[in-house]
Amino acid sequence: EAGVAQSPRYKIIEKRQSVAFWCNPISGHATLYWYQQILGQGPKLLIQFQNNGVVDDSQLPKDRFSAERLKGVDSTLKIQPAKLEDSAVYLCASSSLSGTAYNEQFFGPGTRLTVL
Amino acid sequence: AQKVTQAQTEISVVEKEDVTLDCVYETRDTTYYLFWYKQPPSGELVFLIRRNSFDEQNEISGRYSWNFQKSTSSFNFTITASQVVDSAVYFCALNPTGSGNTGKLIFGQGTTLQVKP
Repeated sequence: EAGVAQSPRYKIIEKRQSVAFWCNPISGHATLYWYQQILGQGPKLLIQFQNNGVVDDSQLPKDRFSAERLKGVDSTLKIQPAKLEDSAVYLCASSSLSGTAYNEQFFGPGTRLTVL
Repeated sequence: AQKVTQAQTEISVVEKEDVTLDCVYETRDTTYYLFWYKQPPSGELVFLIRRNSFDEQNEISGRYSWNFQKSTSSFNFTITASQVVDSAVYFCALNPTGSGNTGKLIFGQGTTLQVKP
């Protein structure tokens, strides 16, 4: 079974530029998560999708971050314009449901973003 | 408040030593899930275990064991006879369900384990 795919793996941009990250979850997983992991910290949830609907985006900085999952499969996270403090690893994860319980999340390799 | 604290930032041991990684959590929910994930240098988080709040039985899987104590809000992880391949960052995480379970994970800061040969 293929895992969660993310691209690109690395990205270096200047501040105020735009950047987009792509994620393809495990086949059949309806739930998709985007996390931000700043160096030395644990991942922090940015946004969660159930199919193509947003479940939780309470910690997404909506003035500069946006995300979509148009067909309920792959997803794109965008930052526009980027700031220095956005330098982090952006992790995508997916999970399935067993009834009303969420199963464990499977994580992709992440995209390491450096903002200069 | 929902919070996970991993007080040990870094631990260094010599191969074959036993090591325990501490995890303390805070939640007012009566139903919740606790997780441990491993993050090797490659960066991908690897799922190790999930426990629900009603199951306080300790669990053993090979060299790994977990001790869940609701009375102290702790979910500690022990590696027996550590190996160099165990070197990684380990994260404890909480999935609260009080206001509707969304599967959201709240992670601790992580503990970096270095196992020296």
